[in-house]
Amino acid sequence: RKEVEQDPGPFNVPEGATVAFNCTYSNSASQSFFWYRQDCRKEPKLLMSVYSSGNEDGRFTAQLNRASQYISLLIRDSKLSDSATYLCVVTGFQKLVFGTGTRLLVSP
Amino acid sequence: GAVVSQHPSWVICKSGTSVKIECRSLDFQATTMFWYRQFPKQSLMLMATSNEGSKATYEQGVEKDKFLINHASLTLSTLTVTSAHPEDSSFYICSARDLRETTYNEQFFGPGTRLTVL
Repeated sequence: RKEVEQDPGPFNVPEGATVAFNCTYSNSASQSFFWYRQDCRKEPKLLMSVYSSGNEDGRFTAQLNRASQYISLLIRDSKLSDSATYLCVVTGFQKLVFGTGTRLLVSP
Repeated sequence: GAVVSQHPSWVICKSGTSVKIECRSLDFQATTMFWYRQFPKQSLMLMATSNEGSKATYEQGVEKDKFLINHASLTLSTLTVTSAHPEDSSFYICSARDLRETTYNEQFFGPGTRLTVL
């Protein structure tokens, strides 16, 4: 079983749609959780950290369920520029462990 | 924000040659740098953790004699792919942790180096 699992997608949505990504992780000792965004042939960039209480940054909302070892990312009012691969990342033994990513394609 | 550079951004080489990739933290000092590899449509996989002034720590399955890592200063780590073969073709990305950061999770990524071995 992979340490971090994500649906690879792609998720094809129209502009303005709301889309949600899910992620599960296997290491119950993981302490920190993140969503990264990676554009084609580019390095990953931190989108937001994920906290147990849930957190929001503009159109993006992240939630963590430690009991279920489940992380989610909600994107509201999708923009064309949101098209990218979204990587779920957890920490394990002071290292970042990346999921394979979920690809999002936002169309006009 | 913290900036990490990588050089070269892409390289094409012949099978059997060695390739050196540099990773620099431009505006901060990094005691620890990380080297990742990403094959097409796959996740970033940590190859090794590079510690300034000491030997790198390699992940299971990564050959330390093939992927030589040197972290000679607080702002520079190098990865040398020795005797490269086509199966080594990949996207190599480094990241660095700011010396002043107390939370060990903050890593800043370089732009990556795309290696193609013919």
